[in-house]
Amino acid sequence: NAGVTQTPKFQVLKTGQSMTLQCAQDMNHEYMSWYRQDPGMGLRLIHYSVGAGITDQGEVPNGYNVSRSTTEDFPLRLLSAAPSQTSVYFCASSFAGTSGLNFGPGTRLTVT
Amino acid sequence: AQSVTQPDIHITVSEGASLELRCNYSYGATPYLFWYVQSPGQGLQLLLKYFSGDTLVQGIKGFEAEFKRSQSSFNLRKPSVHWSDAAEYFCAVGLNQAGTALIFGKGTTLSVSS
Repeated sequence: NAGVTQTPKFQVLKTGQSMTLQCAQDMNHEYMSWYRQDPGMGLRLIHYSVGAGITDQGEVPNGYNVSRSTTEDFPLRLLSAAPSQTSVYFCASSFAGTSGLNFGPGTRLTVT
Repeated sequence: AQSVTQPDIHITVSEGASLELRCNYSYGATPYLFWYVQSPGQGLQLLLKYFSGDTLVQGIKGFEAEFKRSQSSFNLRKPSVHWSDAAEYFCAVGLNQAGTALIFGKGTTLSVSS
């Protein structure tokens, strides 16, 4: 199993551009979620999904969209990038609420 | 809404000394609680978790944590710290009494001195 994979590893965007961060898992996990990590702020939940076709907002959803058309994929879309979205983004999946999260390796995004 | 507080931003411990990292949560019902570790430049690894049963839970790498409902705490402990334990540690609570997504604290950076 590849686990949780994220692409790209690094990305530089200009203000106003849009892009999609890809996340995929091959463990047949129902639950997936997106976090951003900023220095001194820990990880903050952006969006999450409890199954295909079901998504919900987390702590900091503004400026981001998600969809979950398949169990395997959970892409995160930045609609119009802003410098405040410069961060490291982590995708995670889990089999059950009690199992803990499996994290991807992260995407480092810089918005200039 | 759930929240997690880690009161210590940075802690330095001598190698071989004991360690306790503090974590306080805010949640009305019985929470699902987790500790994760992130080594420099690395991803996040689950150390241990609690959702029911024995309030003292054992994890990997010799870590343990104790759930105290009366104090809304889930402190992480290790009896003897190794230099390789230097990392950032995050406490987290499950969203809506489940671990399908997590609310994290801001983290505690552990430095180990020789």
